[in-house]
Amino acid sequence: EPEVTQTPSHQVTQMGQEVILRCVPISNHLYFYWYRQILGQKVEFLVSFYNNEISEKSEIFDDQFSVERPDGSNFTLKIRSTKLEDSAMYFCAYPGLAGAGPGDNEQFFGPGTRLTVL
Amino acid sequence: DAKTTQPTSMDCAEGRAANLPCNHSTISGNEYVYWYRQIHSQGPQYIIHGLKNNETNEMASLIITEDRKSSTLILPHATLRDTAVYYCIVNMDSWGKLQFGAGTQVVVTP
Repeated sequence: EPEVTQTPSHQVTQMGQEVILRCVPISNHLYFYWYRQILGQKVEFLVSFYNNEISEKSEIFDDQFSVERPDGSNFTLKIRSTKLEDSAMYFCAYPGLAGAGPGDNEQFFGPGTRLTVL
Repeated sequence: DAKTTQPTSMDCAEGRAANLPCNHSTISGNEYVYWYRQIHSQGPQYIIHGLKNNETNEMASLIITEDRKSSTLILPHATLRDTAVYYCIVNMDSWGKLQFGAGTQVVVTP
């Protein structure tokens, strides 16, 4: 199974601060996703990223959120001004076949970053 | 997008087969049935998927009814490490986003 790493594993921040969560997958993936899971709740889709552009975003993904692929390999999720309700596990994911489209294709998830906003 | 219905929880004895049902009566012809699981707070883990035919891999088997309105995930020999929340997902859109429901909490007991 392909590996994806996420850093940091745990981030504690004060409300109103900016945080950047990073994901490093195997290279050459065109599709990429971010999900979040508030403690005790279901996993929620945030945004999908295709060929360096946002292809779809949920209503959760408001102006406080942004995604980038700054150096061609890492993917980042930035929250500009964190709120208490942003406390959650954040997972990145990508399709199993490099360059393949979605549909008949599994997604591999990273281990997640636990974000705690105080 | 097709919605799924799964039991909230189920118990299974270690070493026995675990049969996890999922109803997806509104599934469309081009939607796949996917199964994922999540162990504690780890990232969801892909298990298996299928369109029409039954599928088997090293982790599990997937049985899809002929009308595709329901499916069953089979863990042939459940172990304690199979304790997890299991998600049945059939509403994969053209961009591949996964829409998770509440899933089934499976507890494997010795």
